[in-house]
Amino acid sequence: EPEVTQTPSHQVTQMGQEVILRCVPISNHLYFYWYRQILGQKVEFLVSFYNNEISEKSEIFDDQFSVERPDGSNFTLKIRSTKLEDSAMYFCASSGGGTSFGDTQYFGPGTRLTVL
Amino acid sequence: KQEVTQIPAALSVPEGENLVLNCSFTDSAIYNLQWFRQDPGKGLTSLLLIQSSQREQTSGRLNASLDKSSGRSTLYIAASQPGDSATYLCAVRGYQKVTFGIGTKLQVIP
Repeated sequence: EPEVTQTPSHQVTQMGQEVILRCVPISNHLYFYWYRQILGQKVEFLVSFYNNEISEKSEIFDDQFSVERPDGSNFTLKIRSTKLEDSAMYFCASSGGGTSFGDTQYFGPGTRLTVL
Repeated sequence: KQEVTQIPAALSVPEGENLVLNCSFTDSAIYNLQWFRQDPGKGLTSLLLIQSSQREQTSGRLNASLDKSSGRSTLYIAASQPGDSATYLCAVRGYQKVTFGIGTKLQVIP
């Protein structure tokens, strides 16, 4: 069964460093998302991406964050200058094997980001 | 701003029991509602998706209902098993943004 994959599974970085989290969505999906979950808290929406542009973003997704689909398979989240509070599990998701963004979202296993 | 609440926060039941998890949301202008399970330290596994025009969805021992006008959804688990132990998350989708509840942590005792 097709699945969303994410690399790395765990990333440790120093405060102020840039990190890139990588995702490979399900191949025929059209909508891509990033979420984060701080330990013990709710899963929070960061951004949605469709047709090579951001379609919606939350207030969390400020200028420190960017997303990119550099080729036909990868979807990346970049954090330019990490802060301690960026430590969280980051989930990528994809949906839309058809034409509607109302389709089921499929989540990857997550990347645990630890900022020291 | 959409707010999603899940009750109870935690639930412990003996194996074989039927149970109901509740989800409520404040803004009824939704496209769909999705139930997930999350195992400790793992990603989210989709269980059921209910479109805003639907009233319920069923998959195996799971049944989810949606009452959009009252802002409520329930997840019914029949004949619970120890393997059902996990955190169950309710997620409500607006135009593009999805808002999650904090989840109900379920423990099924053998």
